[in-house]
Order: sequence, then C-alpha cells, then structure tokens
Amino acid sequence: SQQGEEDPQALSIQEGENATMNCSYKTSINNLQWYRQNSGRGLVHLILIRSNEREKHSGRLRVTLDTSKKSSSLLITASRAADTASYFCARGPGGSQGNLIFGKGTKLSVKP
Amino acid sequence: DADVTQTPRNRITKTGKRIMLECSQTKGHDRMYWYRQDPGLGLRLIYYSFDVKDINKGEISDGYSVSRQAQAKFSLSLESAIPNQTALYFCATSDFQGGIQYFGAGTRLSVL
Repeated sequence: SQQGEEDPQALSIQEGENATMNCSYKTSINNLQWYRQNSGRGLVHLILIRSNEREKHSGRLRVTLDTSKKSSSLLITASRAADTASYFCARGPGGSQGNLIFGKGTKLSVKP
Repeated sequence: DADVTQTPRNRITKTGKRIMLECSQTKGHDRMYWYRQDPGLGLRLIYYSFDVKDINKGEISDGYSVSRQAQAKFSLSLESAIPNQTALYFCATSDFQGGIQYFGAGTRLSVL
C-alpha cells in the first residue's frame, strides 16, 4: 500500500494527558502533513513538515519526522475534550507523483 | 463563507440513478480533487484536475466521471449509482501538487 499508516487506530485518554499518534510510510517524501477531522466533517490541515526538517511546533502540537525510519509522530500536549477527532497523516511524495496520499487515521477520544 | 463549498450536503438516491455532486471554491487554486471516505479506509482519490483542461483519474475512478467547468468549479458524477458507492465524498483544493489541501464539508451519499 502506498498509504501512510497511522498507529494506533484508536486512542482514548483523559483530559490533560498527552496524546501521541504515529505515522509510517514506505517511499520517499517531499513533506508530511497532519490533518484533523471532526466527526463527519471535512479535514482541516494542522501542520506540514518538510523532508529536511526534524521537528515542528504549532501551539500544543509537536510533529517530528524521522526520514531514516520513514516515520512521523504527532504529539498533542495537555489534551482537551475538544481535541476529540480523527487525525490523519498525509505524505507529499517525492518525484513526479505529487498528490497527497492519506493514511487511515487515528481516532482520538479525550474524556473530560 | 466557506472557501470550498460542496452541494448537496446529504443525498439519498436509488440504484441506477445519475447523481451529480458539486464543488466550488473561492481560494483561487488551480488544483482540485475529489475523494471518497469509507469507514476504516481513509481517503481515496477519485479524480483530480490541475486546470480546466487537465483531468486525471485517481485510485478509484471506475463508476465516476468529473467535469471542470471553470477554475472554481469541479463536479463529480455517478452515472448509474450503485449501493457500494454509499460513502462520504470530499472535494479539496491546493495551490501546488503535494501542498496543503483545503477541504469542503463533505457530501454524505446513500445509494439504496
């Protein structure tokens, strides 16, 4: 499969805890992106990390990228009930085939 | 107003009917995409268009057709709907291949 694979498929935590989601991929990338989807709604872009970057922050979000292991992680610190959603990684492939390829997502549930 | 607008938001139809889903955008992007989302399968690319004269098949184009009427409008048609086309459909835009994508709110289609 060309898709990125998120791990775990589902994650349930308490408010205030940190949530970590992982994404693995198989081929080269130009960038890796993370998106959030509230139930039944459109995806919203969270953060993009380029292949030559190792870490990026945005508010309570921290994304890391390890190109040698072909993996990325999304950390949400001090989670809130409003963070409950599905999170998808999407890789921007290297070379001429440039369309984003989305993974199957991690469903995060944050309990108040 | 939303940057990417999909109509209708919900549609129920019968097997064999022709259905058109419409997408319009105000972001000024040349690139537009149609995805299908099924539970547990993530997003799969149906068709994409890089400009009005450039339309390409995605991963799962069989049973679907598209029309790019203008830079801002990209329609998806199901010529003869079948029950396994029941899914959530998303339109998205981007300003470059492999770049950040902006999604509409989705069309939930049920084929009976």
